[in-house]
Amino acid sequence: AQTVTQSQPEMSVQEAETVTLSCTYDTSESDYYLFWYKQPPSRQMILVIRQEAYKQQNATENRFSVNFQKAAKSFSLKISDSQLGDAAMYFCAYRSVGATNKLIFGTGTLLAVQP
Amino acid sequence: GAVVSQHPSWVICKSGTSVKIECRSLDFQATTMFWYRQFPKQSLMLMATSNEGSKATYEQGVEKDKFLINHASLTLSTLTVTSAHPEDSSFYICSAPYAGVPSYEQYFGPGTRLTVT
Repeated sequence: AQTVTQSQPEMSVQEAETVTLSCTYDTSESDYYLFWYKQPPSRQMILVIRQEAYKQQNATENRFSVNFQKAAKSFSLKISDSQLGDAAMYFCAYRSVGATNKLIFGTGTLLAVQP
Repeated sequence: GAVVSQHPSWVICKSGTSVKIECRSLDFQATTMFWYRQFPKQSLMLMATSNEGSKATYEQGVEKDKFLINHASLTLSTLTVTSAHPEDSSFYICSAPYAGVPSYEQYFGPGTRLTVT
């Protein structure tokens, strides 16, 4: 079975600075998807970024980028130029390629942004 | 983008009563929907997979008779918490994978806060 681990329960960053959130996963599959979701105080889940395992190039979405290390089964999220609105719970998630579409979530990292 | 709605957003019920939560995909068809439970400051715990036209698939440890799931149409899934007790108080979230392109996109409802008194 696949597992997702986020070892940082809480992180803090100064506004305009850069922060990296860690995520590791375990799987025996060769093809899969990885995601970072943001859950602000409203509790609406928002997709931040996604990575297809077959792609070697790291995904980037504006201020958000990932460092995908397939051999190490590591998938970290870097937030550049942090903004107050980035404060939220961040979840790393894994999804197999297949019919189920089921997401496996990590335990989450609560990010605080200091003004 | 695709939208998933949930109703109600917040419900308070008395212990022993049943409460129904609706999850709708507003602009796409969803043959599958997922139901999650989330406790404060914790992750989403998958409860069950709702399948249109067939029985739901429950995760290990989730009581089927307690949490009834019905996927009545391609746009509606319901979760009924039967004989609710205070320990059922939680935040319930549904999601629906988008069957089109990109196929890996999954859309989440805004969640329902259930309080059992």
